[in-house]
This record gives sequence, structure tokens and C-alpha cells, in this order.
Amino acid sequence: DIVMTQSPDSLAVSLGERATINCKSSQSVLKNSNNKNYLAWYQQKPGQPPKLLIYWASTRESGVPDRFSGSGSGTDFTLTINSLQAEDVAVYYCQQYYNSPMYPFGQGTRLEIK
Amino acid sequence: QVQLVESGGGVVQPGGSLRLSCAASTFAFSSYDIHWVRQAPGKGPEWLAHVRPNGYSHFYADSVKGRFTVSRDVSEKRSYLQMSSLSSDDTAVYYCATGPSHGAFNIWGHGTMVTVSS
Repeated sequence: DIVMTQSPDSLAVSLGERATINCKSSQSVLKNSNNKNYLAWYQQKPGQPPKLLIYWASTRESGVPDRFSGSGSGTDFTLTINSLQAEDVAVYYCQQYYNSPMYPFGQGTRLEIK
Repeated sequence: QVQLVESGGGVVQPGGSLRLSCAASTFAFSSYDIHWVRQAPGKGPEWLAHVRPNGYSHFYADSVKGRFTVSRDVSEKRSYLQMSSLSSDDTAVYYCATGPSHGAFNIWGHGTMVTVSS
């Protein structure tokens, strides 16, 4: 089974600065047939379901601010939040959806304001 | 865009059973894969189960295999999660979710709370 590991577990960043969250998959999530990485990023705030931010490792979901970006390929991925805003305080999760029908999430990274 | 609404949560005794429901707002639901995800208090999301549009293909996480059964009723625009042999470890908010466009879960319900306690 694929295991997703995020780092760090928590992160404190000053307003206006950049936050970087990493995600490592125990197996490649790159499908060679279409050259797509089956890796998603979610944001979750208290009392709400996770919200999809990024899919295909780097494609922003409709309505997601462009300060959120995703990068990486194969087994190593990064979520970058530029110019951190107060409303970005949340827990962030990565998830692979390559190894259908299993869809594991990472353990989460808690982002706070410094 | 389809909306999902879960129901059926509540308090159940250890060893008991419960059936959760996920209602969709559109018949386009019939062509979507439906996933069930849970989140224990203070923990991250845990993918549990998946039922394909045909209703006959379903898949489970090891933690619930043999105890949980996922199904769907296209005419009622609903998916169900039948849970049995519940323990305190099953206490969580249960969500249904789908990702019709690209596979990642861009549509989630609000969740329903299940508490296993005597």
C-alpha cells in the first residue's frame, strides 16, 4: 500500500511570507500513460470538510487563489503558499489517487501565523 | 454541481451497527464514483471505501474490510455505508465525497458524527 508522509507536522510563518509543505509518497504516483501525477492537496479549517486546492500535483482547483501552487513529480511533492494571509491558517493534507482504489492521505501539516 | 448530504450518524454501543446515508442533489450522481472518508477527533482524514458508478465494484481500507459495506441506489440518488461490529476506534465524523472531473475529491458533504460509546 502507498503511504503518504508530510513534513513538517506543523509550521509557523509570518504574514506575507512563504509557507512550504512537503509530501512524500512511498511509491511513484506518476502515471506514464498520461504523464500525470495523481497527487492532490487539501486545506481543512475547523468544523469543515477538506477543501480541494490542487490536483494533478500542480493544477489549481477553480476559485483557489493563485498564491497556492503545487509542484513535484513521482514521489516528492511540495505545496507552496506565497504571501501568507490570515485566512490560510489551516491544516493541509496531501492525498494520492493513483493507486486506485486506495486513496490514502498524509498525516497533515498544521499552518499557523508566527 | 452536485451537492452531497450525509445523515444517519449518532451514538451507538460497542459491537453495534449503524447505516449512514449520502444523498446527492442530481441524477448525475449515477455516473460518479462515491467515496467514504472519516476523521476521528483531532486526526487526519482516513479513506474508508469506494463504490463505482455500476454499484457492483466496491473497495475498502483494511481497517474496515469485513465490517463496513458500501452501496448505492441510483433511483434514490443515495450511497449507503453499513457499519457493523463498531468499536470506539470508529468514533469519527464520516464524510462522503466525489471527484467527477479528475478523481481528486472536489465535492464533499458536511459530514455526520458517529460516536461509539456505552
